Amino acid sequence: EVQLVESGGGLVQPGGSLRLSCAASGFIFRTYSLNWVRLAPGKGLEWVSYTSSSGSTVYYADSVKGRFTVSRDNAKNSQYLQMNSLRAEDTAVYFCARQYGDKFCVTSSCDTYYYFYYMDVWGKGTTVTVSS
Amino acid sequence: QSVLTQPPSASGTPGQRVTISCSGSSSNIGLNTVNWYQHLPGTAPNLLIYNKNQRPSGVPDRFSGSKSGTSASLAISGLQSEDEADYYCAAWDDSLNGWVFGGGTKLTVL
Repeated sequence: EVQLVESGGGLVQPGGSLRLSCAASGFIFRTYSLNWVRLAPGKGLEWVSYTSSSGSTVYYADSVKGRFTVSRDNAKNSQYLQMNSLRAEDTAVYFCARQYGDKFCVTSSCDTYYYFYYMDVWGKGTTVTVSS
Repeated sequence: QSVLTQPPSASGTPGQRVTISCSGSSSNIGLNTVNWYQHLPGTAPNLLIYNKNQRPSGVPDRFSGSKSGTSASLAISGLQSEDEADYYCAAWDDSLNGWVFGGGTKLTVL
């Protein structure tokens, strides 16, 4: 079964740090890009970070840039999110999500095409609460 | 404030057809495909629509998507009580180098 399981959430004081983990199983981990997405109380889904399949390319939302660091260990089928200088507004459920991409041929000869991407597998999330 | 704009709420009675809109810009919906997710509290978000109007296996064909310019919409026909959930649109933003989501639409089945 294809699965992502997050862990590492908890209660932390403002200014503190936390490291989230995402363990994958059921698919070839090293071939997929991954994302972290969070859901704050009373708010909508917010993308946090992206890491390419090799880990060589990473992107962050402006709201976490400079404070959060994403990494992955393909040998351990795991992704991590190191969160420093935590703020009350970082309180949320954090989801790990697998990203899939493919090429869509607009014409039968495929001389016109585009790439499309989506997050197809999500974990159930881990809760981070930043409060004194 | 979300980059993509959705109505905060929508409603319908069983059997009805409802649509949820999603408005973006030239750097996200205007350039890339739109995905739609269904989310129930306490669970993982569930992919409903990708690549404009493709559905993963297991998603009923009552769900359909469309896109025009910098806007997209999700239609749910034959509304059922189990469709009551939060719905989000999402697209990659080439200017931000990241995913952007709509603020979510809470669908109520009356």
